[in-house]
Order: sequence, then C-alpha cells, then structure tokens
Amino acid sequence: QVQLVESGGGLVKPGGSLRLSCAASGFTFSDYYMSWIRQAPGKGLEWVSFISNSGTTITYADSVKGRFTISRDNAKNSLYLQMNSLRAEDTAVYYCARYCSSTRCSAYDYWGQGTLVTVSS
Amino acid sequence: EIVLTQSPATLSLSPGERATLSCRASQSVSSYLAWYQQKPDQAPRLLIYDASNRAAGIPARFSGSGSGTDFTLTISSLEPEDFAIYYCQHRSVWPHTFGQGTKLEI
Repeated sequence: QVQLVESGGGLVKPGGSLRLSCAASGFTFSDYYMSWIRQAPGKGLEWVSFISNSGTTITYADSVKGRFTISRDNAKNSLYLQMNSLRAEDTAVYYCARYCSSTRCSAYDYWGQGTLVTVSS
Repeated sequence: EIVLTQSPATLSLSPGERATLSCRASQSVSSYLAWYQQKPDQAPRLLIYDASNRAAGIPARFSGSGSGTDFTLTISSLEPEDFAIYYCQHRSVWPHTFGQGTKLEI
C-alpha cells in the first residue's frame, strides 16, 4: 500500500535550518510529482512547494521562495525539503503529498502523517 | 493567486441530515477543484477530485459538483464519522491554494 513517512522535524531557533525527508513506498515514486504542504497549529492548509517526477520542474509559495529548496532522489524513493532562514511563522506540521503521475492526475491523493517544525528561541 | 472562499465557516447538523458545503474561487479554476476531509491530529484525506470524481474508497454519500468559480460538496446523510473539517483546493495554476475550511460539527 502507498506510504509516505516524513521525518526531520524538531525545534530550531529563528534563522536556523532544518532538512525534512519523506520516504515513499508502495508505488513507483519516479512516476509521480510530489509536494510539501504545511499547517500551522490550529490553522488551515498551505501549499509550500512542488517538484516534478524528474525533478526538472519546481515551484514554491511566495512565503518560502528563496529560503526553502525542494529536491528528490528517485533511487532512494525520497523527497526532501531544505529549510533555511527559518522564521516563527514557518512553525507548522509539514506534510509530503503525492500529486499526479505522468499519465493521470487526481489531486493530492496520499499524504504522510506529517512532521512538526517549531521555530522558537 | 486564486483565493478560495468556503462557506459557512461552521455547519452544525445532526447524523442523518444532509450537509451542503460551498467553495467559491476568485477566478475560474475550470473543474480543477478537490475536497479534503481532516479529523483532529490526522492528515487530510482526499474525498473528491476534479470537482465531481470520488477518490478511491470514498463512500457514495459524498458528492461534488460545480465548475468555474462555484463548487459544492454534498454529504447526503451524515454519519457520526463525517464530523470533521473540510477543505477545498484548486490545481488550476500555481500556487495550489486551499480554502480556509468548513468545520462540520454536531
């Protein structure tokens, strides 16, 4: 069955860095586009970043552009989010989510359980 | 960016009743609109994609309709497990924004 497992969250000081990982299994990872989506405590969902299946197309929300970098390693079935210059407003649960394959699309059909990032001094 | 506005913010109903949730886009998203359900301390679950297609394993009591800027999620007869927060999201252009959510409560 499809599984997405995030890791790498934790407590970090403002201005610090953190790298999130998402381990995928149960499907052909290299066929699928992927995204990171976050949710601040008690708030709604915010799309953060997208990467195509080959990694050649990448987009970011304006709120993280220039600070966050999405990447993937298809050989390791893994998705990453490098977060630099972290701010208090980046505090959230970060989810990795499966988007479309190269042949079909049904929105964000699988999500991980999320990893909590807390930015605080 | 496209702004999605959900209404009402909170909907109070009883099991067995019909629920109608609305999502309005600030500009046309064609049919590229999805609905998600989120329960406390859980990840969102895809219910409906492309406005009216039920995702795998989603009960038939959930249905979606609409196109362009106005969309509706209908739950025909509420079950106790349906009380949750519901979000709409478009995938028309980047960024793929979400609505602010509708809390469906007993």
